[in-house]
Amino acid sequence: ETGVTQSPTHLIKTRGQQVTLRCSSQSGHNTVSWYQQALGQGPQFIFQYYREEENGRGNFPPRFSGLQFPNYSSELNVNALELDDSALYLCASRPAGANYGYTFGSGTRLTVV
Amino acid sequence: AQSVTQPDIHITVSEGASLELRCNYSYGATPYLFWYVQSPGQGLQLLLKYFSGDTLVQGIKGFEAEFKRSQSSFNLRKPSVHWSDAAEYFCAVGSSGGGADGLTFGKGTHLIIQP
Repeated sequence: ETGVTQSPTHLIKTRGQQVTLRCSSQSGHNTVSWYQQALGQGPQFIFQYYREEENGRGNFPPRFSGLQFPNYSSELNVNALELDDSALYLCASRPAGANYGYTFGSGTRLTVV
Repeated sequence: AQSVTQPDIHITVSEGASLELRCNYSYGATPYLFWYVQSPGQGLQLLLKYFSGDTLVQGIKGFEAEFKRSQSSFNLRKPSVHWSDAAEYFCAVGSSGGGADGLTFGKGTHLIIQP
């Protein structure tokens, strides 16, 4: 098993810019979720993709969007960055039928200045 | 809406002593409950989970947790902690809807181990 890998590990962007974060799911995992973890807080659910379609979304505005590719890798895109978007972004994947058996990546630390 | 409360922001325990981390949840139906651990610079690692059945669940690294419906609690325990247990611990709750609603996490408890 290769686990879940995220890139880049750290990123600094300017307010108003757009950013794309990438996630390579663990082999055999066709469901991926993204979470935002602000400093000193628990992770917050952004959205989930299953078979390349979004099938669940948390309380995040539309400027947070995603994609899942046929090889089950995925992207998180954030437009019009705000200072409050500074956080650790976590990707988690799981195989079909394994409710909540998620494997998390180490995350991407995004700083918006 | 579902929610998770971890009342203790920081806990300090001596190495070799027992540990209990508290977690209370709010959820309208049968919850799916989890404990995760996060070391600095790392992602989340699943320690254990409860879906149904035996209310005492065993996890990795010698951890266990007990589901108490009457108290809406899912406390994490370990009989003897090791210095390597120092980390951030998160309790989480999920719906029975197959996972598409995501997990709701508590704010975490920072565990400090004294030598």
